[in-house]
Amino acid sequence: GQQLNQSPQSMFIQEGEDVSMNCTSSSIFNTWLWYKQDPGEGPVLLIALYKAGELTSNGRLTAQFGITRKDSFLNISASIPSDVGIYFCAGSNAGGTSYGKLTFGQGTILTVHP
Amino acid sequence: DTAVSQTPKYLVTQMGNDKSIKCEQNLGHDTMYWYKQDSKKFLKIMFSYNNKELIINETVPNRFSPKSPDKAHLNLHINSLELGDSAVYFCASSQRGGGAGNEQFFGPGTRLTVL
Repeated sequence: GQQLNQSPQSMFIQEGEDVSMNCTSSSIFNTWLWYKQDPGEGPVLLIALYKAGELTSNGRLTAQFGITRKDSFLNISASIPSDVGIYFCAGSNAGGTSYGKLTFGQGTILTVHP
Repeated sequence: DTAVSQTPKYLVTQMGNDKSIKCEQNLGHDTMYWYKQDSKKFLKIMFSYNNKELIINETVPNRFSPKSPDKAHLNLHINSLELGDSAVYFCASSQRGGGAGNEQFFGPGTRLTVL
């Protein structure tokens, strides 16, 4: 089956620093999504990407859909303490037997020191 | 207003018991999902329903039986619970299965602990 490798596994940064994380896949996806999960909560969608090469921003967050459709990255600029959490990439393919199921990366645990 | 809700939030039970988790979404979505998150935080799809019809079953043991009485509800019944079933179970919904504009929204999760 499809595998997603997400890196880094964890990051410890100072408030105000920029953060970058990425996901690579063994096969192509036609949708890439980035989620954030806070402790005791469900994943919350941050950014959705639907076209190869697409670059999308949401406030301090920027994500890109890789041109090969096998990778994506997420950048967070000027981190703040509330950015703490686990960030997940997820890929999906519309239609067919996949019917939109999400394949998740292993997650990046982000810790921000004030 | 809660978009995707699950009950209960926590479930502690003995091995061998049967238990159910309920999920409801008020987003008017057609597709609902169950995901399992293990102790290492890895999220994996279990089932998906579209308009009450099962469309994804990811080689989950048949002790797990999802049921969708209508497109706003998706329940998960688990028979003969085992220690390895301990995990957090997430329900999610989307307008339809995949593609632009069909992002999945997740519930708050049900933490199942089997003793």
